[in-house]
Amino acid sequence: EIVMTQSPATLSVSPGERATLSCRASQSVSSNLAWYQQKPGQAPRLLMYGAFIRATGIPARFSGSGSGTEFTLTISILQSEDFAVYYCQQYNDWPPYTFGQGTKLEI
Amino acid sequence: EVQLAESGGGLVKPGGSLRLSCAASGFTFSSYSMNWVRQAPGKGLEWVSSISSSSSYIDYADSVKGRFTISRDNAKNSLYLQMNSLRADDTAVYFCARVKFGEGTFDYWGQGTLVTVSS
Repeated sequence: EIVMTQSPATLSVSPGERATLSCRASQSVSSNLAWYQQKPGQAPRLLMYGAFIRATGIPARFSGSGSGTEFTLTISILQSEDFAVYYCQQYNDWPPYTFGQGTKLEI
Repeated sequence: EVQLAESGGGLVKPGGSLRLSCAASGFTFSSYSMNWVRQAPGKGLEWVSSISSSSSYIDYADSVKGRFTISRDNAKNSLYLQMNSLRADDTAVYFCARVKFGEGTFDYWGQGTLVTVSS
């Protein structure tokens, strides 16, 4: 099973700033890495797939990078609606699909 | 508009059973693989089970193997999860999620249904 590790657990930033979230895989997942955003009481929303491809309707301030075992999600200019929990997920080697433990982006 | 709507959650005693349903609309359900993913209170996401479009491929997380059964009815645009021998650690919100066509990621999710296992 591929273990996904996200850092930091919590990231405190201000609106207008840049946020960088990290995700590490215990073995290579190539570019088969997705990012999700989840707000309280809501379902996860797909942000990125293929490590750097924005999902439908996702604004350009979200960008992804990396391949192999190291990945980054960057939010260039934080908006108030971006404060949420972010999860990475590998889909290179499944079952099982595995998720990181999440990074909480807070003000 | 793609919509997924789970139902069937509730309070059940340890050792009991529950059947979850997920009603799909707004897309050709029979063309997509589907999954169940759960989230324990205050915790992260855990994949539970997958089923291919024709039900020819099915798999489960080790934590539920032998206790849960995934199925689908393409004529009814519905996905199911039969949960038996429930334990306290099965308490979670259960989401159904569609696999993005040509990818392995989950592009649409339902709002979830809460399953609470407690005596």
